[in-house]
Amino acid sequence: ETGVTQTPRHLVMGMTNKKSLKCEQHLGHNAMYWYKQSAKKPLELMFVYNFKEQTENNSVPSRFSPECPNSSHLFLHLHTLQPEDSALYLCASSQTDGSGANVLTFGAGSRLTVL
Amino acid sequence: GQNIDQPTEMTATEGAIVQINCTYQTSGFNGLFWYQQHAGEAPTFLSYNVLDGLEEKGRFSSFLSRSKGYSYLLLKELQMKDSASYLCAVKDSNYQLIWGAGTKLIIKP
Repeated sequence: ETGVTQTPRHLVMGMTNKKSLKCEQHLGHNAMYWYKQSAKKPLELMFVYNFKEQTENNSVPSRFSPECPNSSHLFLHLHTLQPEDSALYLCASSQTDGSGANVLTFGAGSRLTVL
Repeated sequence: GQNIDQPTEMTATEGAIVQINCTYQTSGFNGLFWYQQHAGEAPTFLSYNVLDGLEEKGRFSSFLSRSKGYSYLLLKELQMKDSASYLCAVKDSNYQLIWGAGTKLIIKP
């Protein structure tokens, strides 16, 4: 496998369920990201991990819980979500070098529907 | 506040040329990116501009004017496969990426 792989691609869950999204990158990058993409809205950065350490948490509700066990894997644990959390969740990775030129490589996303 | 503006939707004809504009107001500037996203797929990197001027890559070119807070993506010899959303993003002084809402480009035969 190459690039950034996300599973599942589609997920339907009730508000009381607990589920997890998984992301794996095969690029040797040192940074991984979770973004939320809603229709006709800019990408919203949720979490950033650099060398497995969380470096950003953009005021994301606690019902979203990230986990980064190593530099290749990233999870987003979901519990007691709200219907407004329905969106496409994109994982991305990059090789950060302190410059502005770091390119993000995205996964195809996990389409989440909360009923 | 920080803001990126780009048209919501554009329509163009196969074989023609289309220019997608992006204007930005950010606290500082450390580069501007264009990404392409086909429906149901991952965004993919198209171009990066940090200096003023035009960068050409095959049928796609990207232009930047830092003094005007303005960029455009130029697509030539349009093909049906160019139907996609085009995302503009700027890195601010803290190297945070500020994203536009994307421009959906529809190509008609």
